[in-house]
Amino acid sequence: SQQGEEDPQALSIQEGENATMNCSYKTSINNLQWYRQNSGRGLVHLILIRSNEREKHSGRLRVTLDTSKKSSSLLITASRAADTASYFCATESLGGFKTIFGAGTRLFVKA
Amino acid sequence: SAVISQKPSRDICQRGTSLTIQCQVDSQVTMMFWYRQQPGQSLTLIATANQGSEATYESGFVIDKFPISRPNLTFSTLTVSNMSPEDSSIYLCSARLAGTGELFFGEGSRLTVL
Repeated sequence: SQQGEEDPQALSIQEGENATMNCSYKTSINNLQWYRQNSGRGLVHLILIRSNEREKHSGRLRVTLDTSKKSSSLLITASRAADTASYFCATESLGGFKTIFGAGTRLFVKA
Repeated sequence: SAVISQKPSRDICQRGTSLTIQCQVDSQVTMMFWYRQQPGQSLTLIATANQGSEATYESGFVIDKFPISRPNLTFSTLTVSNMSPEDSSIYLCSARLAGTGELFFGEGSRLTVL
């Protein structure tokens, strides 16, 4: 079963613009992770944010976590055509050990 | 980080046959998982592969259909049994390194069942 929802389902932007994707989940968590998947290939881990963290940066990526709202966002700044991919949030439930994925957002960056 | 090798990377199978997917990790890992990704969909967890014991299956997945082995810390197999066209999916192996919450993924095995 899927833990939560992501929005938008699809996003199309111009190169250089920022892309924001949101993720909501249902249960208390240990951590939340964001992954990227290029068409039909394996997933690449982008960033992990723990439940006691509110914001994390990695290069052009910025992730926020609001545990009171059970939501997270992923911001990609100055997007590039190479950022075109599907992005998934995934959560590890509190006290659990398995990671459950959201529905994903398909990002298309136009050159 | 960890490198996860999965094979086969793709296969075309006949209805009623079975196929075993292998997954090898190059690092010491604590947990290994198998996911399924149907066309255009997100990942669905099939089961947790437990070393030396029966896998823990998620709701909707059963051992008779998806037998899993994990004979040691770094190797696991998933068999898709008695395949039907509805089993056409990408099957992904993943592993969690000791001391981290990050999951690393293989490139996936794309199965097409005719």
